[in-house]
Formats: sequence, C-alpha cells, structure tokens
Amino acid sequence: DGGITQSPKYLFRKEGQNVTLSCEQNLNHDAMYWYRQDPGQGLRLIYYSQIVNDFQKGDIAEGYSVSREKKESFPLTVTSAQKNPTAFYLCASSTKRANEQFFGPGTRLTVL
Amino acid sequence: RKEVEQDPGPFNVPEGATVAFNCTYSNSASQSFFWYRQDCRKEPKLLMSVYSSGNEDGRFTAQLNRASQYISLLIRDSKLSDSATYLCVVKSFNKFYFGSGTKLNVKP
Repeated sequence: DGGITQSPKYLFRKEGQNVTLSCEQNLNHDAMYWYRQDPGQGLRLIYYSQIVNDFQKGDIAEGYSVSREKKESFPLTVTSAQKNPTAFYLCASSTKRANEQFFGPGTRLTVL
Repeated sequence: RKEVEQDPGPFNVPEGATVAFNCTYSNSASQSFFWYRQDCRKEPKLLMSVYSSGNEDGRFTAQLNRASQYISLLIRDSKLSDSATYLCVVKSFNKFYFGSGTKLNVKP
C-alpha cells in the first residue's frame, strides 16, 4: 500500500536531548513538509522540501533541522534549542503538480 | 494577522441539521483552497478542494469568493460520523496555510 509512515507514534525525551522523527513516503512525491500542531491550534510549517538535497525554512524553523538525502525520506531533528518541543508533529507530501497534501499519522513528542 | 482565520466553534447540532462553516484568508494571491477533516488525535485528511464555481460532493458543498477572500463549507443532513474538526487550508505558491479549525459535534 502506498502512503506516508511516521515513527514512532509516541516519543518521550528528557529536556536537553536532541531527537529525530522519521518520515518516509512511497508515493513518489517530490515535495515533503513538516508541521507542528499544538492543542486547539492549526498546523504551523516547520520546514519543507521541493526536491532532493534542497529544503526551505517554514514559519517556525528555529530549533529544528532537516535533511533530504533521498526522495522517500525527510527526517526532522528537534534540537535542544527548541524551547517548547512538546507537540504533535505531522509530515506531509505532495506532487509538484497536484495541489493536495497527504499526511502521515503523526508523532506525539513529549519532552519531560 | 493570521493567514487563515476560522471560527473555532464548537458547533453543536442535532443529527439531520444543516451547518455552515466560514473561513477568511489574507493573501489575495492565494491559488488553491481546501477543506480538510481532522478527527481527534489523528492526521488531517482531505475532504474536498474548493473551486471558484463552487462544488458539491454528496452532502458537502464548498464555495469560494475571491473578491471577499472567503471560503465556506456547508454540510447537509449531518450524521454522527461528521463530528470532527474541519480545517480551512489555503495554498500560496509552495506553502499551505492552515486555519485553527472549527469543531463540529453532531448529537443524536
């Protein structure tokens, strides 16, 4: 089945630790996105990538980093510089021509 | 000012009711418009795209008014299974902007 996978579903980390969230897609989509969602709020864009080996900052990139070494994969690292990392993280992908985005199931990160 | 604004609700309606959600966006150059549905603690899923001429999908009707920068979603004959949060989404160039969502509770 084609789709987007994110792992793990739930993640707990101690304050001050870096953590990497996985996002993989087998839809052959060119573009991939990372969003953060806080309770009662909409999705906010962290980073996006239109093509392999290239990515751009979104609206809230501080404290995060990404890489796009393969078309299928777009991992997100939440660094210790991110002041309030506890949130629901969603990865999405889309083709260059199609308009809609398809989302993975998300990772709930809790920093203790 | 937020790129996309929605009434957060909640809208509490009985089964069978008709309910309408509205959304405004700030960037007049926005190119594409969507409604997504998000169930509690799940990822958003595309409900429907919104076209200038208006479009319908079963019980759901979406409208776009570019002059007023306004998008609407009408749900007829509400079902219990329609209970969710509805996100208004606007695409400008390569970026998607999400409203904070309108929560719908359909009661028996």
